[in-house]
Amino acid sequence: EPEVTQTPSHQVTQMGQEVILRCVPISNHLYFYWYRQILGQKVEFLVSFYNNEISEKSEIFDDQFSVERPDGSNFTLKIRSTKLEDSAMYFCASSADNSPLHFGNGTRLTVT
Amino acid sequence: DQQVKQNSPSLSVQEGRISILNCDYTNSMFDYFLWYKKYPAEGPTFLISISSIKDKNEDGRFTVFLNKSAKHLSLHIVPSQPGDSAVYFCAAPLPSGGYQKVTFGTGTKLQVIP
Repeated sequence: EPEVTQTPSHQVTQMGQEVILRCVPISNHLYFYWYRQILGQKVEFLVSFYNNEISEKSEIFDDQFSVERPDGSNFTLKIRSTKLEDSAMYFCASSADNSPLHFGNGTRLTVT
Repeated sequence: DQQVKQNSPSLSVQEGRISILNCDYTNSMFDYFLWYKKYPAEGPTFLISISSIKDKNEDGRFTVFLNKSAKHLSLHIVPSQPGDSAVYFCAAPLPSGGYQKVTFGTGTKLQVIP
């Protein structure tokens, strides 16, 4: 069964540094998402992406965050200047039209 | 803003018995609800959904019940198996969201004891 793949599985970075989290969605999916889960809290929607642009974003997704689909297969989340509170598990997901999300296994981001 | 709440952080059940996971919600305008299952070191996996116009949806060992007057839904797993041990999230669509832009509950960790 096709799956969403995320790299790296764990990223450690220093506060103020830029990080890029990478995802390869399922190949025939057109909708892409990032969610995150801070330790002990619920999974939260960050952003959705369709047709090469952001279709919706949450209030968490401020100017420090950006997403990009640099080629036909990758989907990335960039955090420009990381803060301690950005430490979380970041999940990429993709979907076909009006169908449930398929999540990747996540990238654990630790900001020190 | 906890629109979807799971008040039980954990549940232990003997193999072969019924597992009942509960979820309460505050927004009566939700069109449907979803359940996701999550194993450690993996992402959530879609399990089952229910439309707000129904009160029950069944898929094999999994049945979801919806009580709109109580704003409550529950997931029943019968019979429970050790492989069902995971964290279960209920979820509902965000405003303007579809199946994809959802708000999750905090999850219930189910342990099925062999």
